[in-house]
Parts: sequence; structure tokens; C-alpha cells
Amino acid sequence: EAQVTQNPRYLITVTGKKLTVTCSQNMNHEYMSWYRQDPGLGLRQIYYSMNVEVTDKGDVPEGYKVSRKEKRNFPLILESPSPNQTSLYFCASSAGRRQTQYFGPGTRLLVL
Amino acid sequence: SQQGEEDPQALSIQEGENATMNCSYKTSINNLQWYRQNSGRGLVHLILIRSNEREKHSGRLRVTLDTSKKSSSLLITASRAADTASYFCATEGGSNYKLTFGKGTLLTVNP
Repeated sequence: EAQVTQNPRYLITVTGKKLTVTCSQNMNHEYMSWYRQDPGLGLRQIYYSMNVEVTDKGDVPEGYKVSRKEKRNFPLILESPSPNQTSLYFCASSAGRRQTQYFGPGTRLLVL
Repeated sequence: SQQGEEDPQALSIQEGENATMNCSYKTSINNLQWYRQNSGRGLVHLILIRSNEREKHSGRLRVTLDTSKKSSSLLITASRAADTASYFCATEGGSNYKLTFGKGTLLTVNP
């Protein structure tokens, strides 16, 4: 089954404790992206990747890192999480520009 | 910055009625997409309409695009309680890979 998976689905952590949210897709998609969703603000893009080893900033990249060492994986790294990074995070992938994006189920993060 | 803006922010209708949601955007686009999100869950892609298309259908969904007015509408016909969700429009434009989402319309379909 074609899908985008994220882990963990729920995470409670404390300020400053490094964490990684994994994202994997099995559709051989070139494009992958991370979004965060906050009440009243909608979805905002954090980082995106056009292919292996090619990443770029989205609208809200501060406090986040990504890597794309393999085509299928696109982890989101929070080196030193802060409470303002409490949010619902979505990973998405696409076969290319101007194509449908497929979203993962989301990761709900709470930073205390 | 937000590109798409949905209208209305919330819509409540009875089962069997039609629901219309609108989306306006500001700059030129390559395509416009509509997504559905059930409460707190992932987004499900509904339909993609390219900038050179004016109307598209998928089952009970009809999407129109007017690039001269920079607006799109999503019509759900014969709505069902299961259609209750938030609906987002997202625009893709420019040379990079970026979808810009609106804040969504919360649709409630009452049985």
C-alpha cells in the first residue's frame, strides 16, 4: 500500500532535549516536505527536499533541521526544542512539481 | 505568507444539501489543490486543478478555477455526515516545490 509513515505519532518532551521525527514513503517520490499546523495559522512549510541531498527552507525553518540521505526518508530534527515548537507536524511526498502531495498521519508534539 | 484564503471559515448544513467553499489567492499559480482533514488527522488529497483548466469533477466534488479573479470554488453535492471535516485549498506556484495552504473551512454536515 502506497503510504507516508511518521514516527512517533505522539511525543511529549522537555525543552532542550534533542528529538527526531522520522518520515518514510514507499512511492519512490522525489519530493518530500515537512509542515506544521497550528490553530489559526493553518499549515506552514518548514523544509522541503527536491531529491537526495537537496533540501531547502520553507516558511518557518528556524529551530529545525532536515536531511535527505535516502530517497525514501526525510527526518525532521529538533536540536533544542522549545515550547513554541509544540504543534502538529505533517510529512508529505510527491512524485514531482505540480503533482499531488500525499500526507502522513501527523505527529503531535508537546514541548514542556 | 498565506496564499490561499478560504471562505467561509465555517459552514453548517443539513445532510443532502450542497456545500460550496471558496478560495482566493494573490499571485499566479501552476495549480490549485483541495484537501480534506478530519479532526487532527492527516490531509487527504481531493482534487488538483491546473492553471489552464476551468473545471474538474470527481464523484460528488466539483472544482472551478478562475485565474482572472484568482479564485476557486469547491462544491460538494448531496452532502453526507461523513463529509464533516476541514477543507483546505493549497496553491503551487513559482519554480520551486511549495504548496501554500489557506486556513481552511470547517464544514459540519448535520444528519
